[in-house]
Amino acid sequence: QLQLQESGSGLVQSLETVSLTCTVSGGSISSGTYSWTWIRRPPGKGLEWIGYIYQGGTTFYNPSLKGRVTISVDRSKNQFSLNLTSVTAADTALYYCARGYCSRTSCLVGRFDPWGRGTLVTVSS
Amino acid sequence: SFDLSQPISVSVSPGQTASITCSGGELGDKYLCWYQQRPGQSPILIIYQDDKRPSGIPERFSGSNSGNTATLTISGTQAMDEADYICQAWDSSTVVFGGGTKLTVL
Repeated sequence: QLQLQESGSGLVQSLETVSLTCTVSGGSISSGTYSWTWIRRPPGKGLEWIGYIYQGGTTFYNPSLKGRVTISVDRSKNQFSLNLTSVTAADTALYYCARGYCSRTSCLVGRFDPWGRGTLVTVSS
Repeated sequence: SFDLSQPISVSVSPGQTASITCSGGELGDKYLCWYQQRPGQSPILIIYQDDKRPSGIPERFSGSNSGNTATLTISGTQAMDEADYICQAWDSSTVVFGGGTKLTVL
């Protein structure tokens, strides 16, 4: 059974960079037609999709994050990572990684399953 | 921008049927997913492509999507179904989530 586990910086200063890693176990990050996705939930708000990376390294990001996001993959470690630069208090959130399902032609269509348990990132000023 | 609207809360008695709606413009033209999230836990996919259940999800969970409204129906609601339910769709190359509905089983 595939499992995902987030790890990384929990408390960061304003304008610094958040770096998170998602470790995938119970399956290979290189198999199948899946996207590897980051989603977050700010306190008291709804879920917000951050972006994904697809096999071969193709990435797609939420335009609202205005070029501050980079998602990368380390297939040798079965991990993918999120870097979010120039953070502010608005980036304080519970960050989840998840597997996304792609069709034969697009990853901009599918569901997210499973999800990691989430890791809390707090931005302090 | 495309938004998904859900009622903040829904209450149901044990054994009865709960219906949770998710509304958005021409939502019936998009594929919709539903997630269940219990307090302190991560979301679990319970419905995808409007009405399909992943393996392991009980048959009492069903979904429909037509026009501007999608509906998650829970038949024979159990106490363990008390959770937040969140709808999700894709629009213009981005993912949209509803705000979530808290289901209370009284």
